Amino acid sequence: QLRLQETGSGLVKPSQTLSLTCSVSGGSMSSNSWSWIRRSPGTGLEWIGYIYHNGITYYNPSLKNRVTISLDKSKNTFSLRLRSVTAADTAMYYCARGLVIAATPPYFDSWGQGSLVTVSS
Amino acid sequence: SYVLTQPLSVSVAPGGTASITCGGDNIEGRSVHWYQQRPGQAPRLVIYYDSERPSGIPERFSGSSSGNTATLVISRVEDGDEADYFCHVWDNIRVVVFGGGTKLTVL
Repeated sequence: QLRLQETGSGLVKPSQTLSLTCSVSGGSMSSNSWSWIRRSPGTGLEWIGYIYHNGITYYNPSLKNRVTISLDKSKNTFSLRLRSVTAADTAMYYCARGLVIAATPPYFDSWGQGSLVTVSS
Repeated sequence: SYVLTQPLSVSVAPGGTASITCGGDNIEGRSVHWYQQRPGQAPRLVIYYDSERPSGIPERFSGSSSGNTATLVISRVEDGDEADYFCHVWDNIRVVVFGGGTKLTVL
């Protein structure tokens, strides 16, 4: 069974860079898409972006100027970097697999448990 | 950009039926997926492709889509169904769109 686990900085200072890594076990990263999604206190789910197994990335237009998602298939990990953070970026960050079936847009069938990131000085 | 509209909250008594809607322009032309997020837990897929149920999801969960509304129906509601529910579609194939979420309260 596929398992995803987020690791990274839990406390980030304003204007600095948030970095998280998602480790994938129990399956290959040579197919499907791999996403980052967050949920801030009192709000709903917000998609950050995803990377396909071939390295192609797509980002939320509202965040694209600050986001980079990368993939390391040799380590079975993918990572998120979010630059110039503010208090509004305080959230639980989730990594998830987007399952691609027959070239249709994917749905998120496996999720990590989440990593809480707080932006504060 | 494409917008999905969900009611903020739905309440139901144990054993009753809860219907959670997700509104969007001609949503029936898109595949709709639903996620359940219990307090303190990660989201979990409960319905994909409008009405398909992943393994391990009870038959009490069902989905449909018609016109401008997709609906998640939970029958014989249990205390453990109390959670936030989110619908999800894709816009222009490349952009993920989530609904604002509906809090299901079991009375």
